[in-house]
Amino acid sequence: DQQVKQNSPSLSVQEGRISILNCDYTNSMFDYFLWYKKYPAEGPTFLISISSIKDKNEDGRFTVFLNKSAKHLSLHIVPSQPGDSAVYFCAASGRIQGAQKLVFGQGTRLTINP
Amino acid sequence: DTAVSQTPKYLVTQMGNDKSIKCEQNLGHDTMYWYKQDSKKFLKIMFSYNNKELIINETVPNRFSPKSPDKAHLNLHINSLELGDSAVYFCASSQQGSYEQYFGPGTRLTVT
Repeated sequence: DQQVKQNSPSLSVQEGRISILNCDYTNSMFDYFLWYKKYPAEGPTFLISISSIKDKNEDGRFTVFLNKSAKHLSLHIVPSQPGDSAVYFCAASGRIQGAQKLVFGQGTRLTINP
Repeated sequence: DTAVSQTPKYLVTQMGNDKSIKCEQNLGHDTMYWYKQDSKKFLKIMFSYNNKELIINETVPNRFSPKSPDKAHLNLHINSLELGDSAVYFCASSQQGSYEQYFGPGTRLTVT
């Protein structure tokens, strides 16, 4: 029962264009959402987050959009740069079985082509 | 000045052996976690400790035993290793009340 899903295992984008990564969730108890970036042989690093009471959060080239009614969030990167090539994980936080937990999607591998 | 460190980075061992993975954080956080990333790349929570107290214990075989000697350390001991235990294990930490977790570099465990 995967509560957080990233349906695109990979995405290829031209340098300078917009990258859009998508994430869907099923549990309406999630109240905070995060995006992590992961390079090979390294741990995930926090990128940007959004509270469930907001619908948009922007940080430089990165913007996260949240559509609560559709249980969908997306990460926009513009303009995309070669250093953005990595695996991106969507994560949702909620109180599950008495404890605050982070539930991760399976990741999307983003490749930025020069 | 590594924030969350894990040792070893790679671990190759035979079925039936017992092994430990160590984790240390120097961020002053009070909550630490162990995650397992399986072959399908899902990152799943295994355990969480807050101030040395176990607060999350997912459905994990009891061959896995976490130990937190102090707030800055959370070790993972695995008994009687099985082929299915092969995975990358990540340690993470956070400050209570914060949603952001900081991850270590991971330990790739291979059981042969």
